Amino acid sequence: GENVEQHPSTLSVQEGDSAVIKCTYSDSASNYFPWYKQELGKRPQLIIDIRSNVGEKKDQRIAVTLNKTAKHFSLHITETQPEDSAVYFCAAPITGNQFYFGTGTSLTVIP
Amino acid sequence: NAGVTQTPKFQVLKTGQSMTLQCAQDMNHEYMSWYRQDPGMGLRLIHYSVGAGITDQGEVPNGYNVSRSTTEDFPLRLLSAAPSQTSVYFCASSPRQERSYNSPLHFGNGTRLTVT
Repeated sequence: GENVEQHPSTLSVQEGDSAVIKCTYSDSASNYFPWYKQELGKRPQLIIDIRSNVGEKKDQRIAVTLNKTAKHFSLHITETQPEDSAVYFCAAPITGNQFYFGTGTSLTVIP
Repeated sequence: NAGVTQTPKFQVLKTGQSMTLQCAQDMNHEYMSWYRQDPGMGLRLIHYSVGAGITDQGEVPNGYNVSRSTTEDFPLRLLSAAPSQTSVYFCASSPRQERSYNSPLHFGNGTRLTVT
């Protein structure tokens, strides 16, 4: 079955700097990788996702890269802002359109 | 659309009590699921459904039952609550997969459950 490891568990950056969160997965058949952002006390919300037929996807300050050979994918946030502070989760698919989630990265952006 | 609606938002139970967490979605999504979230452990799949009348177990199903009699509703039943079931519970739904690719989950606002 699938297993996902996420690093780091906590990350602090100065406002304006970049943040990178990395996840590795185990099932080479996995072909879709979403990233969720969860603010304190709120529900997880999808911020970006990538399919295995592309190596990179961008949406304004957020990008995701995928290395299928090494079985890892990363979230990149540039020009970080205080409102980027949250917990970020990566995920990889298992059966029934469900997902195995990483353990989360708590990002703090210091003004 | 209201999206995914969960009730109640908060619940306190005593050990051994039973209750049902409600989940409803109005997006006509085929897939529905329940996850629990515990500190430092991410989200773990409890049960899921790929359509009305079909349910299956996830990673941590013990102590929970589900049913899917309609497309819209997917209640989660705790048969005899235990302190280990203290957690935040999220219901999620998603549409049919596109081609061979998964589709993203839409989460409800969660139910915070405490078992004493």
